[in-house]
Amino acid sequence: QSVLTQPPSVSAAPGQKVTISCSGSSSNIGNNYVSWYQQLPGTAPKLLIYDNNKRPSGIPDRFSGSKSGTSATLGITGLQTGDEADYYCGTWDTSLSAGRVFGGGTKLTVL
Amino acid sequence: QVQLQESGPGLVKPSETLSLTCAVSGYSISSTYYWGWIRQPPGKGLEWIATIYDSGTTYYNPSLKSRVTMSVDTSKNQFSLNLSSVTAADTAVYYCARDYGSPRYFFDYWGQGTLVTVSS
Repeated sequence: QSVLTQPPSVSAAPGQKVTISCSGSSSNIGNNYVSWYQQLPGTAPKLLIYDNNKRPSGIPDRFSGSKSGTSATLGITGLQTGDEADYYCGTWDTSLSAGRVFGGGTKLTVL
Repeated sequence: QVQLQESGPGLVKPSETLSLTCAVSGYSISSTYYWGWIRQPPGKGLEWIATIYDSGTTYYNPSLKSRVTMSVDTSKNQFSLNLSSVTAADTAVYYCARDYGSPRYFFDYWGQGTLVTVSS
């Protein structure tokens, strides 16, 4: 059971927009930065968003991140078939299970 | 360009110790930054295992702490993971990554991962 809660799956058509939520608490998202990772099939995770809403060099601006209270959201616009992947949120948790934590992951299907 | 490469046995027997090494190129691990291990059981999500900083300060996942040891070899620019008393539940793809550390806590460079199967 992950400390951060993500929907197991989301889907949308090519060209559309999709959002993926990540819900936590005051011991994690509420007081720490959030990052997002994309994992294409059979590959290692790749950093998409850090510090809640910043994109590493080379990540297109179709990908965006936001945070409000104890929840964070990843947005993807102009969906492409190549965006089909698993997406994970991550942060730091200061509770008894302290450490770096990830959400359970969301499978994005581009119909 | 920072690159990381995991290496180690692909098969470990139950109750034995899993040992992995991560070779880093393109960056000196003795410089600023943390270095970490993450694993992913087949068909499941990511689980942080451990992080090391400043060649000796370690942070472990509380659920694995009693079985995990992480170390750094600055002369070889690599770091290592030992996980003792393994069971089938430790079967996973193990990734090493550069950990940005406090207070931002994100992993910006990842190795390709290595599958470790625990089986007799």
